[in-house]
Amino acid sequence: QVQLQESGPGLVKPSETLSLTCTVSGDSVSSGSYYWSWIRQPPGKGLEWIGYIYYSGNTHYNPSLKSRVTISVDTSKNQFSLKLTSVTTADTAIYYCARGAYRGYGLNFDYWGQGTLVTVSS
Amino acid sequence: DIQMTQSPSSLSASVGDRVTITCRASQSISTYLNWYQRKPGKAPKLLIYAASSLQSGVPSRFSGSGSGTDFTLTISSLQPDDFATYSCQQSFSIPPTFGQGTKVEIK
Repeated sequence: QVQLQESGPGLVKPSETLSLTCTVSGDSVSSGSYYWSWIRQPPGKGLEWIGYIYYSGNTHYNPSLKSRVTISVDTSKNQFSLKLTSVTTADTAIYYCARGAYRGYGLNFDYWGQGTLVTVSS
Repeated sequence: DIQMTQSPSSLSASVGDRVTITCRASQSISTYLNWYQRKPGKAPKLLIYAASSLQSGVPSRFSGSGSGTDFTLTISSLQPDDFATYSCQQSFSIPPTFGQGTKVEIK
């Protein structure tokens, strides 16, 4: 059974860098079929896709966040990570990692982590 | 970006009720539409992909329909485990975008 688990600080100061890691079990981030993704939900708002990384290291980011986002993969630990720089209070959200796949009808997400709340505050 | 609008934003229903949630896209997305169930503290769950295809393991009381810009998620007979928030997501173009969610509450 595929499981994903987010980890990282729950509190980040404004202007600093948010760093999260997703540990995958039951599948390999090296498999060529999936797009390992980060998605977030700010309080009171809908879900927002942040970006994904493919096993080859190719990435694709949401244009709205592209200048501040880096997603990387560590195949030795079966993990992938998110870094978001220069955070503001608008980056306060529940952050999810998810497994994305193209199933002939675009990219959807079939396995998710439980999410981790990251608060940006001084 | 394609905007996704869900209605209603919340609804109250009883066990056994038939529930319908609507999702509208800001442009035509064919059947590139997915539905998710979300509960606090739990991993979101993919219910429906390609507008009407049931994800493996999802009960058959869930169904999806629609194409173009208008889509619906129907729960034929609401069960206690179904009280949750439901979100649609378009997969027609990058970035994938989501509706704001519909919260289904106990009446």
